[in-house]
Amino acid sequence: KAGVTQTPRYLIKTRGQQVTLSCSPISGHRSVSWYQQTPGQGLQFLFEYFSETQRNKGNFPGRFSGRQFSNSRSEMNVSTLELGDSALYLCASSLDNTNTEAFFGQGTRLTVV
Amino acid sequence: GQQLNQSPQSMFIQEGEDVSMNCTSSSIFNTWLWYKQEPGEGPVLLIALYKAGELTSNGRLTAQFGITRKDSFLNISASIPSDVGIYFCAGRKETSGSRLTFGEGTQLTVNP
Repeated sequence: KAGVTQTPRYLIKTRGQQVTLSCSPISGHRSVSWYQQTPGQGLQFLFEYFSETQRNKGNFPGRFSGRQFSNSRSEMNVSTLELGDSALYLCASSLDNTNTEAFFGQGTRLTVV
Repeated sequence: GQQLNQSPQSMFIQEGEDVSMNCTSSSIFNTWLWYKQEPGEGPVLLIALYKAGELTSNGRLTAQFGITRKDSFLNISASIPSDVGIYFCAGRKETSGSRLTFGEGTQLTVNP
């Protein structure tokens, strides 16, 4: 069974631009969560989607947004990129939004220059 | 910010030695998860714990869910070079859906 797929793997963007990252969860999983990983802050929760609805949101500015489609695939968008947005963005897939295991993709490495 | 205190931050051990790391929190969690992350990859789930006091093994790995629900530990026995990586604990609260709170990670180095 295929794992969590994130695209693209690597991305370089310029300050002020916007970016869209994609995540396809494990087949049958309906919950997708996004995390930002940086050396200084570690793994920080961005948001969680279940049944096309945002269920939880972390402490990030409104420039960070996301959505989930009817096939459970999810995208996150970052507008007006800042240098500090450079990070590994990880997507986690869960069966549902209750007490279940979370499986991560390989991540998208975003570099803002 | 993060609410889980993970220790130690790093460990340098010889192949064959046992390793122990732990996570503590001021909050109660109803699920504890342990992950391993290698360079350039996402975290890989090692063990999931769902009940206070639960002790679960996965090969040479053993993890326990603390009775107070505010802590968890991970042991690795007879370490081998491929155990190298960063180990993270993660907790989920009953009311937080799929949201995980992570520890700062333990960087493990195994010398052959």
